[in-house]
Amino acid sequence: DTAVSQTPKYLVTQMGNDKSIKCEQNLGHDTMYWYKQDSKKFLKIMFSYNNKELIINETVPNRFSPKSPDKAHLNLHINSLELGDSAVYFCASSQETGYQPQHFGDGTRLSIL
Amino acid sequence: SQQGEEDPQALSIQEGENATMNCSYKTSINNLQWYRQNSGRGLVHLILIRSNEREKHSGRLRVTLDTSKKSSSLLITASRAADTASYFCATDRSTGFQKLVFGTGTRLLVSP
Repeated sequence: DTAVSQTPKYLVTQMGNDKSIKCEQNLGHDTMYWYKQDSKKFLKIMFSYNNKELIINETVPNRFSPKSPDKAHLNLHINSLELGDSAVYFCASSQETGYQPQHFGDGTRLSIL
Repeated sequence: SQQGEEDPQALSIQEGENATMNCSYKTSINNLQWYRQNSGRGLVHLILIRSNEREKHSGRLRVTLDTSKKSSSLLITASRAADTASYFCATDRSTGFQKLVFGTGTRLLVSP
C-alpha cells in the first residue's frame, strides 16, 4: 500500500487555468506538507497543516490555496496558473512530535504551456 | 537564507567505493536529516541526527554532525549501483512543528 499518494502524477495545462492536486496519507500522521521542487531540484516548503489547521504558510502567492478536509488529506488548489508555477509538487506527512522523519509522495509534475 | 549547501554537486564513483557528501548550513539547528531521491520519485528518509549527537550509523550509512562548524557529512560505504540518486540534507531549527530547510543536493552516480 502506498503510504503517501498524490494525484495526478502529471498535469499539463495552459496559463490562466485553475487546477488541483490531491494528497492522501494512510500512515495515521497528524501533519502534512506541500513542497515545490524547481528545475534545479531545489526543494522548498510551501504549507504545513497539523490536524487540519494551517501551521506553516511560506511566502507563496495567494493563488495557491491548500485545503485539509481531514488529517489524512491535504489538497492544493492553484488559480490562474503562470509559467513560473511549472515544477514538481510534493506532498509529505509526519508525526506531530519532533525528531520525526517526513514521508513523501512521488510528486506531481506540473507543466504550464 | 537558511538554505544548506551541499558539496560536491555531483559525484561519480565505481561500485564498491565509498561516497562522501557534505552539507553546510547557516543557523543553529534542532536536528539534521538526510534524504535520498531517486529519479522521478519522492524523497526517502535515511537518517536523522539530533543537535546533541555527533555521529550515527544505519547499515552502510554513517552521518556526522559538527555544530561548531555548522556542517554534516554522509558517508556511504561499499557503494552499489542502486545507490545512484540525489542526496539532500535538511535542517530543522524549530522546537515545535517541523519546518525542514533542504540543501541543494548531491547527485551521486555509481557505475557497475
